[in-house]
Amino acid sequence: AQRVTQPEKLLSVFKGAPVELKCNYSYSGSPELFWYVQYSRQRLQLLLRHISRESIKGFTADLNKGETSFHLKKPFAQEEDSAMYYCALNEGYNTDKLIFGTGTRLQVFP
Amino acid sequence: DTAVSQTPKYLVTQMGNDKSIKCEQNLGHDTMYWYKQDSKKFLKIMFSYNNKELIINETVPNRFSPKSPDKAHLNLHINSLELGDSAVYFCASRLGGPLLNTEAFFGQGTRLTVV
Repeated sequence: AQRVTQPEKLLSVFKGAPVELKCNYSYSGSPELFWYVQYSRQRLQLLLRHISRESIKGFTADLNKGETSFHLKKPFAQEEDSAMYYCALNEGYNTDKLIFGTGTRLQVFP
Repeated sequence: DTAVSQTPKYLVTQMGNDKSIKCEQNLGHDTMYWYKQDSKKFLKIMFSYNNKELIINETVPNRFSPKSPDKAHLNLHINSLELGDSAVYFCASRLGGPLLNTEAFFGQGTRLTVV
């Protein structure tokens, strides 16, 4: 069973439009959730983690335990945001198993 | 001073061959992973090691054998390569442990093409 679901494979928006990349998870314990990003020809890197409750490059993500979601949002997309975005869940306790969703490609057009 | 380095970056080989991909991290992390990224960019965990011990084996064919000679290295050996093994393989490391919310650092990937 897929533990991390990203329903959209591709999301295309114009510059300045709001962006929401969806992520739902399935985990009975206390989840550790992350968003990773892979820009073209670069290695996968951490964008943000839920525990930090931070805004990175204008992106935020709120953990909603009721809806088991961790959607990534940005109010005004920029062309340089075009990349592959992965939601990740660490099943954590005593296993340290970092599971990724299938990824969403964000394309921001000028 | 790359944190996680993989070699080679590209690997083209024939079906049936045996090949290895090396991974080294200089971050002092306890946990290392191998992931496979298919043509659709799906990133799937294969193995996880913690302090040289195998923690996770995600039903990977036994043609794939990870080896961790020490905490800083996790190599991936693949026997009898098949066409379906063609993918990008990523190594990653992380300061492991429960509920640490720590960042995973990835290598640049090894693009394996089996012909």
